[in-house]
Amino acid sequence: AQKITQTQPGMFVQEKEAVTLDCTYDTSDPSYGLFWYKQPSSGEMIFLIYQGSYDQQNATEGRYSLNFQKARKSANLVISASQLGDSAMYFCAMRELDSGNTPLVFGKGTRLSVIA
Amino acid sequence: DTAVSQTPKYLVTQMGNDKSIKCEQNLGHDTMYWYKQDSKKFLKIMFSYNNKELIINETVPNRFSPKSPDKAHLNLHINSLELGDSAVYFCASSQWAEGGETQYFGPGTRLLVL
Repeated sequence: AQKITQTQPGMFVQEKEAVTLDCTYDTSDPSYGLFWYKQPSSGEMIFLIYQGSYDQQNATEGRYSLNFQKARKSANLVISASQLGDSAMYFCAMRELDSGNTPLVFGKGTRLSVIA
Repeated sequence: DTAVSQTPKYLVTQMGNDKSIKCEQNLGHDTMYWYKQDSKKFLKIMFSYNNKELIINETVPNRFSPKSPDKAHLNLHINSLELGDSAVYFCASSQWAEGGETQYFGPGTRLLVL
């Protein structure tokens, strides 16, 4: 069963608008971490934001915020005031923490295109 | 200063050859990983090391052998390269800290097997 689902293979957004990238996850561990990464066309993986399952507040990092809805098992990434440089692949990932040092499990990614 | 570095960045080689990819992190992290990203951009874990000890070995052909000479290095050696090994290989490292965890990735090594 897929642990991370990103249902939007591609998204378009107008420059300066906000955009939400969807991510749902599946785990029975009560303790887990959720991550978002950006992969521009140059190929590197850039860490954006982290949310722990016990965190009371939604994580925010600059223009990035994570809309964490635990009951729905969703961890959507919100990018405010989109810029042309935000065009990239975005990956949602999860790490289950109760099982020791488990690696990240990634979704299939969403390709975001920002239009001028 | 690069936190996680990999060499080489590009690797083009013939089928049947043996090659190595090196990874170093200067973050003092305990855990390092190798991930493979296929042509469809799907990222999957291959190996995980914690303090030089192998803790995760996913279903990977035994032609792939990781080696961790010390906590800061995790190298990947591949024997008898096959066409299907063509992919981007990412090294990563992570550490727990108050407020959560961050996994940092290296720049990736683009391997093309001809």
